[in-house]
Amino acid sequence: DAGVTQSPTHLIKTRGQQVTLRCSPKSGHDTVSWYQQALGQGPQFIFQYYEEEERQRGNFPDRFSGHQFPNYSSELNVNALLLGDSALYLCASSLPGLVLGNEQFFGPGTRLTVL
Amino acid sequence: AQTVTQSQPEMSVQEAETVTLSCTYDTSESDYYLFWYKQPPSRQMILVIRQEAYKQQNATENRFSVNFQKAAKSFSLKISDSQLGDAAMYFCAYRGLIQGAQKLVFGQGTRLTINP
Repeated sequence: DAGVTQSPTHLIKTRGQQVTLRCSPKSGHDTVSWYQQALGQGPQFIFQYYEEEERQRGNFPDRFSGHQFPNYSSELNVNALLLGDSALYLCASSLPGLVLGNEQFFGPGTRLTVL
Repeated sequence: AQTVTQSQPEMSVQEAETVTLSCTYDTSESDYYLFWYKQPPSRQMILVIRQEAYKQQNATENRFSVNFQKAAKSFSLKISDSQLGDAAMYFCAYRGLIQGAQKLVFGQGTRLTINP
């Protein structure tokens, strides 16, 4: 059973560019969350997708947008990249439903460097 | 808003000994979950242990156990018989219902070093 997968592993962009990160959830999961983890910090919640809709959003600007496909995979898009967007981007998937105890399974992350 | 604080940026312990990592949190909710995640250098976040707020009994998972003090809003992780493979960043995380069931709020992390 494949876990959560993310692509690419590493990415280098320049300021002002746009980037798309991809995530495939664990088998049987249909809820995908995205987190940004700056170097030396804990992850920060960006948003969560369920049934192809954004269900909840953290304190991130509109430059951060996402999408969920019918097969539950998801994309994170960041426009007009800033140096401060350099971080590890983590995707996590979980079972559906507003169940507090549902474990979120994390992918290995995409390391984004903005020059 | 809920916050999670880990006051120990780094900890070290001798192999086979016991270490305790501290975590405090702030919330006005009565129903929530608390988690400890491990992030090794490979970057993949792994769940170590979880605690339901309405359960008074402290959770245990093999060598890992927690000391959950709800009134004090404290949630520490004890690792017994430390092993070299335990070396990693450890994150305390909170999940409540009012702010959204699936969102995790993380602390800043504690880097744990195991000395052979």
